[in-house]
Amino acid sequence: DAGITQSPRHKVTETGTPVTLRCHQTENHRYMYWYRQDPGHGLRLIHYSYGVKDTDKGEVSDGYSVSRSKTEDFLLTLESATSSQTSVYFCAISETSGNTDTQYFGPGTRLTVL
Amino acid sequence: KNEVEQSPQNLTAQEGEFITINCSYSVGISALHWLQQHPGGGIVSLFMLSSGKKKHGRLIATINIQEKHSSLHITASHPRDSAVYICAASGNNDMRFGAGTRLTVKP
Repeated sequence: DAGITQSPRHKVTETGTPVTLRCHQTENHRYMYWYRQDPGHGLRLIHYSYGVKDTDKGEVSDGYSVSRSKTEDFLLTLESATSSQTSVYFCAISETSGNTDTQYFGPGTRLTVL
Repeated sequence: KNEVEQSPQNLTAQEGEFITINCSYSVGISALHWLQQHPGGGIVSLFMLSSGKKKHGRLIATINIQEKHSSLHITASHPRDSAVYICAASGNNDMRFGAGTRLTVKP
């Protein structure tokens, strides 16, 4: 299994509070991704990174920001959490571009915004 | 309309049956991925293919680029195959996912 961890695994927070989710990898893969998974929608890309300090938006980036200051860590921040951001968040990594490379997924973080 | 459509949404089979899950996509792709999500939530990549067919154990994935269609087949299904199977189309540094097919294999 690819060495990917996510923290926290579960979090309950209140509307309007900031939240940061962490994805950590030990594989030294260049590409990292944040997805959210909601019933009826499947997985949707929030942001991705193609290197240290290199990030780009995905399909559902509004309300989220990311940072990657080192290869192994990719942080997802909700500046002011809303109930619509209640979801399960998955981090994934790939050695080369996800277009033509296998992505390996982390265990997920279940976030509830009350 | 979702860019990646899977059918069926839910599938129940008896142990030993041959299973087929279908995926149609409307976007241009570099590759088509099949993923398995276990009841505990973990996601595992099963296949990535851009043409033809791939086989791994009892699982077979096929793709028809002209028809923009892919299928995942499971031979001699087993209760441990029970999971959600997800199809995803990748291209242009983006990946679009189907909503998944929930497979239950009964003993």
